[in-house]
Amino acid sequence: GEQVEQLPSSLIVQEGASVLINCSYTDSASVYFPWYKQEPGKRLQFIIDIRSNMERKQNQRLTLLFDKKTKHLSLHITATQPGDSAIYFCSASFMPNYNVLYFGSGTKLTVEP
Amino acid sequence: DPKIIQKPKYLVAVTGSEKILICEQYLGHNAMYWYRQSAKKPLEFMFSYSYQKLMDNQTASSRFQPQSSKKNHLDLQITALKPDDSATYFCASSQGQGAYEQYFGPGTRLTVL
Repeated sequence: GEQVEQLPSSLIVQEGASVLINCSYTDSASVYFPWYKQEPGKRLQFIIDIRSNMERKQNQRLTLLFDKKTKHLSLHITATQPGDSAIYFCSASFMPNYNVLYFGSGTKLTVEP
Repeated sequence: DPKIIQKPKYLVAVTGSEKILICEQYLGHNAMYWYRQSAKKPLEFMFSYSYQKLMDNQTASSRFQPQSSKKNHLDLQITALKPDDSATYFCASSQGQGAYEQYFGPGTRLTVL
């Protein structure tokens, strides 16, 4: 079945640093890649997405890069703050079941002051 | 933000019993979903509904039955509970089917003894 691999599983950085979270998928019929953030004790929160006809999308300090050829995505977070500490999940949906999201195992980001 | 409500927040059940997890959304969305997050696996898609009709079912077991009495309700009935069913169950909704941002509820943490 479809799989989404996410690395690293955890990251600890100092405030102000940049981080990179990587995600890869197995199915070529990919269409949509939303990313979510889950702070401790809180619900998953949508942060950014990209569709398969795009290569790059930016939302403030978040930049999402997509390489269709290598089936790889990267989420770049710049100028990290302690409030960015959370688990970050990549996900993907594939044709024809657009509604079905497959999630990676998550990256736990800790930003130390 | 209480726009997606899940009840109860915590639930303890005994093996073999039956429970219903409640989900209501007040976002005016037409599509609703159930996901499961356990310690052993990444967040897993279970069901999707659109206009109260089942669209996708990725759950192998018939012990899990979604129920939609109203457009903004999608409850999850689980019968013959097993310890392996212990997980946090998340409800989500989106504007429509397909590649739309999904909004997640706070989850119901189910423990089966």
